[in-house]
Amino acid sequence: DQQVKQNSPSLSVQEGRISILNCDYTNSMFDYFLWYKKYPAEGPTFLISISSIKDKNEDGRFTVFLNKSAKHLSLHIVPSQPGDSAVYFCAASRGSWGKLQFGAGTQVVVTP
Amino acid sequence: ETGVTQSPTHLIKTRGQQVTLRCSSQSGHNTVSWYQQALGQGPQFIFQYYREEENGRGNFPPRFSGLQFPNYSSELNVNALELDDSALYLCASSLAVGGRAGTDTQYFGPGTRLTVL
Repeated sequence: DQQVKQNSPSLSVQEGRISILNCDYTNSMFDYFLWYKKYPAEGPTFLISISSIKDKNEDGRFTVFLNKSAKHLSLHIVPSQPGDSAVYFCAASRGSWGKLQFGAGTQVVVTP
Repeated sequence: ETGVTQSPTHLIKTRGQQVTLRCSSQSGHNTVSWYQQALGQGPQFIFQYYREEENGRGNFPPRFSGLQFPNYSSELNVNALELDDSALYLCASSLAVGGRAGTDTQYFGPGTRLTVL
């Protein structure tokens, strides 16, 4: 039962433009959402998070938006840079122990 | 401050065998979570250990078992290997204080690639 879904397996964007990654979830008990970035041969690294009591969180070029009624979150990267080329995972957790449910990931390719 | 390390990097086993994967937590971390990432999928939560006790388990059969040692390093053991166990196994460590683990500060290791033939 996939409770976190990323329906776009890949995204290609030009350098300098905005990248928008989407994620849907089904479990209304999730109260914390995260985005991770993964390069080949490395473990996922934390990018940005948002609590269910907020609808937006911003950190530099990265902004996460949460729409609880639609059970949808998105990650905006502005401007996109070549170093942003990686697989991005959306994850959700319930409670305070960080037991994460991940989506399948979106491969982002930033072209010059 | 050392990061999370895992060993071995790669491993090839045959069906029915047993395997042990190892994880060294980030210095000062007392919580370890294990994940299985099959090809083309996101990581799936296997279980978590906090101060040497299992602290939650995902939808994995009992042949997946774990240990956490007093130094907070950890092992994942898989018995009776099946072809579908072929995956990247990730461990992540964090510091839990007062019943709360630092979800944002959960650091992942590079993983062990297990191939079952």
